[in-house]
Amino acid sequence: EDKVVQSPLSLVVHEGDTVTLNCSYEVTNFRSLLWYKQEKKAPTFLFMLTSSGIEKKSGRLSSILDKKELFSILNITATQTGDSAIYLCGGTSYGKLTFGQGTILTVHP
Amino acid sequence: NAGVTQTPKFQVLKTGQSMTLQCAQDMNHNSMYWYRQDPGMGLRLIYYSASEGTTDKGEVPNGYNVSRLNKREFSLRLESAAPSQTSVYFCASRNTGLVEHEQYFGPGTRLTVT
Repeated sequence: EDKVVQSPLSLVVHEGDTVTLNCSYEVTNFRSLLWYKQEKKAPTFLFMLTSSGIEKKSGRLSSILDKKELFSILNITATQTGDSAIYLCGGTSYGKLTFGQGTILTVHP
Repeated sequence: NAGVTQTPKFQVLKTGQSMTLQCAQDMNHNSMYWYRQDPGMGLRLIYYSASEGTTDKGEVPNGYNVSRLNKREFSLRLESAAPSQTSVYFCASRNTGLVEHEQYFGPGTRLTVT
């Protein structure tokens, strides 16, 4: 059975800190790794990673995939209170997407 | 484009009652999904449909049935609701094939079973 594990499960930081969220996966016929941000509604898409070692960036957020070690990280630099959310990662195989349990990030002013 | 739509947005059921959650997408996606989300549990896959005419169990299928009515619509049925099924339910869709694509989510249905 496919499995995705995120760590830490929760994280509390202050504005301006840098955080690293981890995602490890065991997905049969793995094709891609997706990151989502969820505030008080449906998850919104952040990144899709298919190749090892190629960093994806969007503003203060960046992510990278290691297909040999079966993990991905999501970095957020200079955190802001608006970054407070649940961050979800999921691994895809054909037709199926399995998510981890999420990391709850709280950023205090 | 409406994207992924779900009905109803909220529902309260008594134990033993049945209901169907409706989901539709207008993006011509071939794969559709039902997840439930409970505090501290992330998104757990209930059932998915990789393409029209196929459905498969996910991580937590017990107590649920699904129907892929056509390419647009994927419904989730609770035949005899239980308090353990109190949750937020998300439907999602994605294109799958030679190239990978992101998944789009509906707004969710908050279900309470008393």
